[in-house]
Amino acid sequence: KAGVTQTPRYLIKTRGQQVTLSCSPISGHRSVSWYQQTPGQGLQFLFEYFSETQRNKGNFPGRFSGRQFSNSRSEMNVSTLELGDSALYLCASSPRAGVQPQHFGDGTRLSIL
Amino acid sequence: AQSVTQLDSHVSVSEGTPVLLRCNYSSSYSPSLFWYVQHPNKGLQLLLKYTSAATLVKGINGFEAEFKKSETSFHLTKPSAHMSDAAEYFCVVSDRSGGSNYKLTFGKGTLLTVNP
Repeated sequence: KAGVTQTPRYLIKTRGQQVTLSCSPISGHRSVSWYQQTPGQGLQFLFEYFSETQRNKGNFPGRFSGRQFSNSRSEMNVSTLELGDSALYLCASSPRAGVQPQHFGDGTRLSIL
Repeated sequence: AQSVTQLDSHVSVSEGTPVLLRCNYSSSYSPSLFWYVQHPNKGLQLLLKYTSAATLVKGINGFEAEFKKSETSFHLTKPSAHMSDAAEYFCVVSDRSGGSNYKLTFGKGTLLTVNP
C-alpha cells in the first residue's frame, strides 16, 4: 500500500507570491491534516479535512487555507508569502477524522527568498 | 489545555548503551500519547502509542515507553542503541479538548546522537 505522497518535495518562492502544496493520502484514508515544522516553533497543527470539510483548525492567519477533494486528496495554499513561512510542511492521513495515529508524508520544504 | 515537555533537546549515547528520552505531559482529559521518530528530510514515523490499555507499551525497533499517570510522564527507552537510531524523536499528546475535535500537541523534539 502506497504511503502518504506530498508534492513537490522542494519549492523556492519569493515574498508576496502564493504557493499550493499537494497531498495524496493513503488509499482508503479520508482524513488529511497539515502541519508546519520550523526550527523555532517546532511542529504546529494547521488544519484537518475530512469528507471535503475542514473539521479542525490551528492558530494560523487566513493566508493559510486548504481544501480536500472527493478522492480525499488535499491541497494547502499560502498567499502573500512571508520569510517566516519558510518551513517543512507535513501532511498526515488517517482513516477518519480524529483517529490516531496519523501516517505522515515526507513533507514539502518551502523556502522563501 | 494540554502541553508536552521533552526534557532534553539533545541526548548523546554510545552504540550498545541504553537510551532514555524523557517526556512529561499535561492534559485535562484522558490522553493518548505517542512517540514519533523523524530522520533527516523525512516525515514522522510512529514508534509506539498509548491509548489507555497497558501502561507499558512496546513499539517498533526495540523501543518501549511507560505511561505513569502519577508522574504525568511517558519516557521512551531502548536497552541498546544502534547507529540507525540517530534521529529526532517527538513526544505527542492527543486529547479531546474543547469539544469533539481531537487536538495533537507536539513536544519540541529530542535529537538523539549515537556514537560508534
